[in-house]
Amino acid sequence: KAGVTQTPRYLIKTRGQQVTLSCSPISGHRSVSWYQQTPGQGLQFLFEYFSETQRNKGNFPGRFSGRQFSNSRSEMNVSTLELGDSALYLCASSQRVGASNTGELFFGEGSRLTVL
Amino acid sequence: AQRVTQPEKLLSVFKGAPVELKCNYSYSGSPELFWYVQYSRQRLQLLLRHISRESIKGFTADLNKGETSFHLKKPFAQEEDSAMYYCALTSHGGSQGNLIFGKGTKLSVKP
Repeated sequence: KAGVTQTPRYLIKTRGQQVTLSCSPISGHRSVSWYQQTPGQGLQFLFEYFSETQRNKGNFPGRFSGRQFSNSRSEMNVSTLELGDSALYLCASSQRVGASNTGELFFGEGSRLTVL
Repeated sequence: AQRVTQPEKLLSVFKGAPVELKCNYSYSGSPELFWYVQYSRQRLQLLLRHISRESIKGFTADLNKGETSFHLKKPFAQEEDSAMYYCALTSHGGSQGNLIFGKGTKLSVKP
């Protein structure tokens, strides 16, 4: 099986612009989560999606948004970029087990965003 | 506040020595704890979870609710264990998609 695929892998934007990152989960996985990784804050949870619905959301401003499509692929968008948004954005997929998602997370390689 | 603390940024040991990576947590409720690992040039991946009570690659971790700790241990470190290790938690029965991570400990095993 192909792993979690994230595109683009690297991108450079300037302050005020917006960016869209894409994540294709492992085939058969219907749950997708997003994390932001920075040297200062480490890994921080952004959102979790299942069946095209946001199930959980982390403590990030409204500039950060996401969605999931019927094929389980997910996108996240950051509007009005700030310097502090420079980070590695990781996507993870899992098979939802039971009422809550207790399946193992499988991570992508990440999209590295640099904001100038 | 819910929090995971890994007090050591870097841990360096010699091959064959015992290793213990510390993880302490703060959580109001019943947590589920995990260890994730990232080897050089590889993706972040699950190493073990406390509910499984299993040993993976010689590593074990015991949840100590009294001390709110979930330290990762291995009696004899190998060079291939060198990696970044992250402790993480979620609520019991909660979603693994919504994890609180520690900031990680870089383990370096010297020959």
